[in-house]
Amino acid sequence: AQTVTQSQPEMSVQEAETVTLSCTYDTSESDYYLFWYKQPPSRQMILVIRQEAYKQQNATENRFSVNFQKAAKSFSLKISDSQLGDAAMYFCAYRSDWGYQKVTFGTGTKLQVIP
Amino acid sequence: EAGVAQSPRYKIIEKRQSVAFWCNPISGHATLYWYQQILGQGPKLLIQFQNNGVVDDSQLPKDRFSAERLKGVDSTLKIQPAKLEDSAVYLCASSFFGRTGNTGELFFGEGSRLTVL
Repeated sequence: AQTVTQSQPEMSVQEAETVTLSCTYDTSESDYYLFWYKQPPSRQMILVIRQEAYKQQNATENRFSVNFQKAAKSFSLKISDSQLGDAAMYFCAYRSDWGYQKVTFGTGTKLQVIP
Repeated sequence: EAGVAQSPRYKIIEKRQSVAFWCNPISGHATLYWYQQILGQGPKLLIQFQNNGVVDDSQLPKDRFSAERLKGVDSTLKIQPAKLEDSAVYLCASSFFGRTGNTGELFFGEGSRLTVL
């Protein structure tokens, strides 16, 4: 069974600075997806960024980028030029590309942005 | 495009009472998920449907929880009788199934917050 580990329960960053959230996972599969989701307080979970395992190039979405290390099973999220609106819970998730495509979430990292 | 709809948004009940949550996924999404999210924790999968069939309910407390997805569209999650530890947000999500043109993304509803007193 796949597992996803987020070892940083809480992180803080100064506004306009850069922060990196860590995620590691365990799997024996070669094809899968990795995601970072954002969940603002009392609000809907939304996708931040996605990475297909077969792609070597790291995904980038505006101020958000990932460092995907397949061999190390590591998938970190970098947020550049942090904004107050980035404050939220961030969840790393793994989706199998086989069978019924189960999705497993990590325990989350609470990000605080300091003005 | 309409998103994932959930109701009710909030529900407060006494322990041992029953409650039902409803979810309508995005049109065309074959896969539907129910997650339980306890405050401060990550979502825990309760049940996953593929069309109207269950593909994973290994973490569903079947003595008190039940779920159905009739006609492969909307779904209902029921808790009977509720316990104090069932207080959580119940998230519904949907996605495409298959590999062609599938981004793999889950689309979430706003969640249903349950408080059991």
